[in-house]
Amino acid sequence: AQKITQTQPGMFVQEKEAVTLDCTYDTSDQSYGLFWYKQPSSGEMIFLIYQGSYDEQNATEGRYSLNFQKARKSANLVISASQLGDSAMYFCAMREGTGGFKTIFGAGTRLFVKA
Amino acid sequence: AAGVIQSPRHLIKEKRETATLKCYPIPRHDTVYWYQQGPGQDPQFLISFYEKMQSDKGSIPDRFSAQQFSDYHSELNMSSLELGDSALYFCASSPRMGTSGDTQYFGPGTRLTVL
Repeated sequence: AQKITQTQPGMFVQEKEAVTLDCTYDTSDQSYGLFWYKQPSSGEMIFLIYQGSYDEQNATEGRYSLNFQKARKSANLVISASQLGDSAMYFCAMREGTGGFKTIFGAGTRLFVKA
Repeated sequence: AAGVIQSPRHLIKEKRETATLKCYPIPRHDTVYWYQQGPGQDPQFLISFYEKMQSDKGSIPDRFSAQQFSDYHSELNMSSLELGDSALYFCASSPRMGTSGDTQYFGPGTRLTVL
């Protein structure tokens, strides 16, 4: 069965430093997509980055990059040059391949950026 | 850019009452998803629609029903409300069907409180 594991309930990072949020997943499907979302205290869910299971290059979107290690089934989010506005809950999510609509989320990691 | 619209943003109901949540997807998005996020929890997939047909079903209680209309907006109907239904309900939309890479863009959510 599908499963997403985020083992860091909370993380602290100093402003302007980089931080890695961990995500491991479990699936028997060969085709799947991995997503990261940010949820600030205001509650909205903001899409950050996507990685496909067949993508050979790690995804990057501005200050966000996804460290995709397929053999280890990990999809860690790296935020470079942290900003105070990055303080939020971060969710890793997975959607299985062809024809699938269901997306499952991990428990989330709350990131605190210190000034 | 246009985003997913949800209404109402806040809703307070009594136990055993009914509630209807509405979702208007991003223009030209034909797939809609509903999620329930309890306090301090990750979003749980409820149901999805593609081209006005139910495409996938998750942990949606039998007391809940949903549909997608000809203009692609969707409504989630909730009956016999229970205290445990108090949650943030997200609608998301995506532009295509059935591929793992379809990014879901979330609406701001409807916060339902059942008293």
